[in-house]
Amino acid sequence: GENVEQHPSTLSVQEGDSAVIKCTYSDSASNYFPWYKQELGKRPQLIIDIRSNVGEKKDQRIAVTLNKTAKHFSLHITETQPEDSAVYFCAPYPPGNNRLAFGKGNQVVVIP
Amino acid sequence: KAGVTQTPRYLIKTRGQQVTLSCSPISGHRSVSWYQQTPGQGLQFLFEYFSETQRNKGNFPGRFSGRQFSNSRSEMNVSTLELGDSALYLCASSLGPRVGVYEQYFGPGTRLTVT
Repeated sequence: GENVEQHPSTLSVQEGDSAVIKCTYSDSASNYFPWYKQELGKRPQLIIDIRSNVGEKKDQRIAVTLNKTAKHFSLHITETQPEDSAVYFCAPYPPGNNRLAFGKGNQVVVIP
Repeated sequence: KAGVTQTPRYLIKTRGQQVTLSCSPISGHRSVSWYQQTPGQGLQFLFEYFSETQRNKGNFPGRFSGRQFSNSRSEMNVSTLELGDSALYLCASSLGPRVGVYEQYFGPGTRLTVT
C-alpha cells in the first residue's frame, strides 16, 4: 500500500510569514495529489489539488508543487493569517488502491 | 444545497455493545466513503459504497460493516465495541467513485466514545 509521511508534524509561523509543509509518498503510480484542511472541531475540506502532469498550481495565497521524481509534494501558504491555523492532510491517490491515502497531518499554528 | 449530514453527532457506548452510525450524502451524490479519525493517526479508510455496492474496503476487522440504501444514504455498524474504537467517524460523499474526478465532501463526523 501507499506509505505517506508528512513533515514537519507541527509548524509554528508568525502571521504574515510563509509556511511550507511536505508530503512524501511511496507509490510511483500515484497520479492525484490533494491537500485537505481541517480546522479545530470542523470537517476536512479540500483546499487545493494537483495532477501528475502538472508541476505547480496556485490559488491565491496557497500553492502546491509536485516532484514526481522524488515522490513528494508540498503545500505553500504565503502571507499567513490566523485563520490558516489548522491541521493539513495530504492524500495522494494510487490508482491500484482506488482510494485516497491520507497522511497523519501537519499542525500549522499561525502566531498573531 | 445541504451538505453531508451525520447522525448522531456524539455517542457514548460501553465495551461489547454495538453501534450504528448514519450518513446522508449531498443530494445527487451516489458515492459514500467512511473514515476513522484518531489523534495523530490521520484518516484511515474504512469502506466506500457506490450504488448500494461496496466497492472498496480498508484494513479493519469484520466487526466494522456498512451498507448503502437506494437513496444513497449509508450506515456503518460496529459490533462488539472495544475501547480502541473510540474515534471520530467521518463520512464523505461525491458524485461518483472516480477519485480525482469527483471531489469528496466530508460530513461533520460522529464522535464515538467507548467506555
